[in-house]
Amino acid sequence: GQSLEQPSEVTAVEGAIVQINCTYQTSGFYGLSWYQQHDGGAPTFLSYNALDGLEETGRFSSFLSRSDSYGYLLLQELQMKDSASYFCAMRYSRGQNFVFGPGTRLSVLP
Amino acid sequence: EAGVAQSPRYKIIEKRQSVAFWCNPISGHATLYWYQQILGQGPKLLIQFQNNGVVDDSQLPKDRFSAERLKGVDSTLKIQPAKLEDSAVYLCASHLGGLSDTQYFGPGTRLTVL
Repeated sequence: GQSLEQPSEVTAVEGAIVQINCTYQTSGFYGLSWYQQHDGGAPTFLSYNALDGLEETGRFSSFLSRSDSYGYLLLQELQMKDSASYFCAMRYSRGQNFVFGPGTRLSVLP
Repeated sequence: EAGVAQSPRYKIIEKRQSVAFWCNPISGHATLYWYQQILGQGPKLLIQFQNNGVVDDSQLPKDRFSAERLKGVDSTLKIQPAKLEDSAVYLCASHLGGLSDTQYFGPGTRLTVL
């Protein structure tokens, strides 16, 4: 089967940098995605890593190490609007099959 | 382009009643997913369609849940009869397929079973 682990909560202050980790277990792996979900809203796509290394998109970066079954989402210059839940999601087959992690609730304090 | 549409947005029913949710994916997206998201948890896949065929329904409680995607476009998810533990947000998502990495989610239907 497939499983992912994330910290349940992270707190940081405005302007800071925060890293949200995700570890996974699977028999097949094609990539790791990150989604943001505000309270009452739908998950929205942030990034996807299929290969090892860092992907940067504005203030957000995502990293993957396939050998360590580990990835992280890095949020820089935190803003209040970044307060949300963040989910890693693993693609475990060629057929666009995904499983989501339990989510990390990020609180950004003034 | 228009996003993923879902209706209704909210539904309150009593246990043992039936309920149906509707989803219209982004035009041209071959893959459609139904997820159940219980408060404070990550989305859990219920069923995945590729066009109008089922790819994965291993976590769908088939004694009470059913889903169809006629003509490979919009889809309905039904619960009959509902239980208290079915209270959750039901999310529909679509995926272009191929090399695309992105699932696009609809706003969800919040179901409360009393």
